[in-house]
Amino acid sequence: SQQGEEDPQALSIQEGENATMNCSYKTSINNLQWYRQNSGRGLVHLILIRSNEREKHSGRLRVTLDTSKKSSSLLITASRAADTASYFCATDGRYGNKLVFGAGTILRVKS
Amino acid sequence: NAGVMQNPRHLVRRRGQEARLRCSPMKGHSHVYWYRQLPEEGLKFMVYLQKENIIDESGMPKERFSAEFPKEGPSILRIQQVVRGDSAAYFCASSPPSGLAGPTDTQYFGPGTRLTVL
Repeated sequence: SQQGEEDPQALSIQEGENATMNCSYKTSINNLQWYRQNSGRGLVHLILIRSNEREKHSGRLRVTLDTSKKSSSLLITASRAADTASYFCATDGRYGNKLVFGAGTILRVKS
Repeated sequence: NAGVMQNPRHLVRRRGQEARLRCSPMKGHSHVYWYRQLPEEGLKFMVYLQKENIIDESGMPKERFSAEFPKEGPSILRIQQVVRGDSAAYFCASSPPSGLAGPTDTQYFGPGTRLTVL
């Protein structure tokens, strides 16, 4: 399997509910980032968490990182229809220049 | 401060033609990255460049693909003799100059160029 795999592959929830997406990776990292991509558009950077951090918040987003399990989770609280998008985690390599993306989680928030 | 600019946004080529994709990084950014995204997949790293230098091209196909980031002007990803399998979205990202610890972490992405090969 690839570095930076997300699960679930697809998630459908009602507006107002929380959405949790998970990401697993294989090798050591300096940091892990989450991006959002609306259909047919570019990527929007959401949040970066460093390897020495365990949790980070940004607005309705909460990211956790467990380096012992090589996994991360992205929680979106009080979801809105506008949160409908694909969400990708990306890990850096040892030299921090190229990002390795997973296949993404497709989130659909129904209003 | 304008974000990362890519043009064209959509490009249609026939098999055997050349495709040129352009990327202008954010102002003040000296690191440029190119990624390719096939339908229903995540992005795959292709090449990392600084001004006039290719730093890491480990994700570039060995033939037909080349990239440059000249001293003046945008970064160019060139695909010669395109084939149908080259149809994809090509994204450029940029990041600021590196500090003592190496390249900064966050990469800012452009809107992408969607290449269709007929």
